[in-house]
Amino acid sequence: AQKVTQAQTEISVVEKEDVTLDCVYETRDTTYYLFWYKQPPSGELVFLIRRNSFDEQNEISGRYSWNFQKSTSSFNFTITASQVVDSAVYFCALSEPQGAQKLVFGQGTRLTINP
Amino acid sequence: DSGVTQTPKHLITATGQRVTLRCSPRSGDLSVYWYQQSLDQGLQFLIQYYNGEERAKGNILERFSAQQFPDLHSELNLSSLELGDSALYFCASSPWGGGAGELFFGEGSRLTVL
Repeated sequence: AQKVTQAQTEISVVEKEDVTLDCVYETRDTTYYLFWYKQPPSGELVFLIRRNSFDEQNEISGRYSWNFQKSTSSFNFTITASQVVDSAVYFCALSEPQGAQKLVFGQGTRLTINP
Repeated sequence: DSGVTQTPKHLITATGQRVTLRCSPRSGDLSVYWYQQSLDQGLQFLIQYYNGEERAKGNILERFSAQQFPDLHSELNLSSLELGDSALYFCASSPWGGGAGELFFGEGSRLTVL
């Protein structure tokens, strides 16, 4: 069965610090997709990134970067120079490419950026 | 704004009652998904409909049911409500029936059962 573990329940940092959110996943599939979603205080889920299992290149988008390591089944998310607006709950999720498009979510990491 | 609309945004009801949550997907999207977010269980997939037909079922209770109508909007019916059903219910949509593309989530319907 698929499983996603986000061991960090809560993280609190001061603005401008870099912060990394950890995500470890389990799956028996050789082909799969990994996602990160952001849930700001307003409650909606906002898509951040999707990565397929064959693409281990790191990705950078502005202050956000993602490190996918298949060897350790990890898909970590780093925010550089954090800002107060980054405060949110972040979810890592896993999906199979075949069949229904259902996501298995981790428990989420609540990130608080203090001014 | 994801383009997915959910109503109502907030709902307070009593145990034993029945409620209906409504979702309008993004224009053109054929798939609708329902997820439940609770403190105990986190975010869990409930059910998916694709073009009016049930496509996949997750951890959905027998007291819950859903359907997707010809205009592609969907409704999630929750009956014989229990305190533990209090949660944030998300609807998401996508153009596809399968695969692993991005899901577009609505803002959720927060259900409180007293």
